[in-house]
Amino acid sequence: KNEVEQSPQNLTAQEGEFITINCSYSVGISALHWLQQHPGGGIVSLFMLSSGKKKHGRLIATINIQEKHSSLHITASHPRDSAVYICAVSMGGSQGNLIFGKGTKLSVKP
Amino acid sequence: DAGITQSPRHKVTETGTPVTLRCHQTENHRYMYWYRQDPGHGLRLIHYSYGVKDTDKGEVSDGYSVSRSKTEDFLLTLESATSSQTSVYFCAISGGTSGGRETQYFGPGTRLLVL
Repeated sequence: KNEVEQSPQNLTAQEGEFITINCSYSVGISALHWLQQHPGGGIVSLFMLSSGKKKHGRLIATINIQEKHSSLHITASHPRDSAVYICAVSMGGSQGNLIFGKGTKLSVKP
Repeated sequence: DAGITQSPRHKVTETGTPVTLRCHQTENHRYMYWYRQDPGHGLRLIHYSYGVKDTDKGEVSDGYSVSRSKTEDFLLTLESATSSQTSVYFCAISGGTSGGRETQYFGPGTRLLVL
């Protein structure tokens, strides 16, 4: 079974700061997903990656397959980035389901 | 946004009563999942479906059953609700053609309180 660990659990930042959230997993994967859960509870997919780096606006996700580690970076953070960020991995095969980390709660202060 | 709805969105019930949650999609996606989210645990898979009438168990399936008689609907049933099943339940869908290398789209969630 894959264990997905995120750090930190909680993070408070000032507006404009550069933020990094880390995710590590124990077993080889098919893909890694970063999700965002809004304060209202809705969950949206930010990135899915199996190698290298992806960028969308102020968000950057990287993955190191050999190290079994991924990072989510937020540049020029803003209060609207306040949310829970969840790392999840898919093992491939016919199931396709995700195994989730416990999430990182980010609060960005103005 | 992917067309996924869940009903009801909130429910309060008593221990021992049956409860059915519905997930409805308009995307014609093959795979549908039921997850539960609890403080300190993250999201965990209850059951999933890979086609009409094709379902399988997930990590925390005890006390739950599912049915999928149509592509668009995936039902989760708690046969006899217990307080440990108080949780937020999320449905998710994916195309299911790339061995897990696909985005999953989540429904808005159902908050269930079992008294």
